[in-house]
Amino acid sequence: NAGVMQNPRHLVRRRGQEARLRCSPMKGHSHVYWYRQLPEEGLKFMVYLQKENIIDESGMPKERFSAEFPKEGPSILRIQQVVRGDSAAYFCASSPIRSGHLSYNEQFFGPGTRLTVL
Amino acid sequence: TQLLEQSPQFLSIQEGENLTVYCNSSSVFSSLQWYRQEPGEGPVLLVTVVTGGEVKKLKRLTFQFGDARKDSSLHITAAQPGDTGLYLCAGAYTSNTGKLIFGQGTTLQVKP
Repeated sequence: NAGVMQNPRHLVRRRGQEARLRCSPMKGHSHVYWYRQLPEEGLKFMVYLQKENIIDESGMPKERFSAEFPKEGPSILRIQQVVRGDSAAYFCASSPIRSGHLSYNEQFFGPGTRLTVL
Repeated sequence: TQLLEQSPQFLSIQEGENLTVYCNSSSVFSSLQWYRQEPGEGPVLLVTVVTGGEVKKLKRLTFQFGDARKDSSLHITAAQPGDTGLYLCAGAYTSNTGKLIFGQGTTLQVKP
């Protein structure tokens, strides 16, 4: 039973280039979340998606960042015209649909993509 | 602003000692998770607490959720070098889905 998969694990880009980060959720999970972790800081929420829908993007920078979770294929976090401040670890998490009085939000994380902007 | 204060930020102890990590907020959480993260890896879920006053045990780790569901603690008994790592608490405001609010993390070093 494969966990959350992310690729690439490491990504190096020069300033002004584009970065595309991919995330495949756990089997049976239909909710995907992206978080960013800066050096010496905790994880910060960026965006929450379900298939073909962005549910909450309150943590996404207003410019250059976008995310999608198409009907087929992985979720993509796209950063255009990267700057040095974008250097961070980007984590994807997924969760299953739960219902009923025992429902609670439990997220499982991938290994992350470490983005370095030169 | 939704905040989760985690303390202490750093902890260095000798093997065999006990320790407690705290996670506090002024907000009520629907659930709270504890994760452990190794360098270069993603957070690994240790436990989820849902009910106020709930206590869960995982070998030498004891997790407690406050009665008002605003705070939580992680207690490690007889720490071992293998416990070394970054411990993160994360709270959820909605029951089913939605973002997690993370604490700043506690870096634990257990010396042999």
